[in-house]
Amino acid sequence: SQKIEQNSEALNIQEGKTATLTCNYTNYSPAYLQWYRQDPGRGPVFLLLIRENEKEKRKERLKVTFDTTLKQSLFHITASQPADSATYLCALESNFGNEKLTFGTGTRLTIIP
Amino acid sequence: GAVVSQHPSRVICKSGTSVKIECRSLDFQATTMFWYRQFPKQSLMLMATSNEGSKATYEQGVEKDKFLINHASLTLSTLTVTSAHPEDSSFYICSARSGGPGVLQFFGPGTRLTVL
Repeated sequence: SQKIEQNSEALNIQEGKTATLTCNYTNYSPAYLQWYRQDPGRGPVFLLLIRENEKEKRKERLKVTFDTTLKQSLFHITASQPADSATYLCALESNFGNEKLTFGTGTRLTIIP
Repeated sequence: GAVVSQHPSRVICKSGTSVKIECRSLDFQATTMFWYRQFPKQSLMLMATSNEGSKATYEQGVEKDKFLINHASLTLSTLTVTSAHPEDSSFYICSARSGGPGVLQFFGPGTRLTVL
């Protein structure tokens, strides 16, 4: 069965350090992988999209890698700040003509001052 | 980025009543809108996909007669929860996009439904 798993339900990181979140998937051939941020009681906010033929994407303090062999994406936040505390979701869109976006389980990140 | 709004942001209703949630794309035309449901500490689960002017496509296990979706225009989709029960209490989130696969979806702020 298809599955999208994010490494941990919760992650605590000291302010200033790099936070690394993992997204693993099985039985998918994603054309795109996306990362979203969700604050409590709010809808998801798009952060980054990476295509299957891309290895890495950066945006300011954010970096995403995509390894289709390992079926894994890593999401990094460098120089983390307390304002980065939120739940981060990865989402896949398959390239089988199925245009649905399927979300992972989410990781609740807390940056400790 | 594009803006998607939802109304209301919160609604409390009695068991057995129907509730309508609106989703609007404010500055773009949404050919496709999606409705998700999120229970506490869980991820978003897709309920249905709707294309303007046609019937919605529901995910397995989602009752189409209970969750009525109307996508009457390129900027508005509505979700009506009919005969709501306490187990329908959840966070309902819509998203909208203006193209096909690979085009970004923009998410609304969500609607918290509480059924007493």
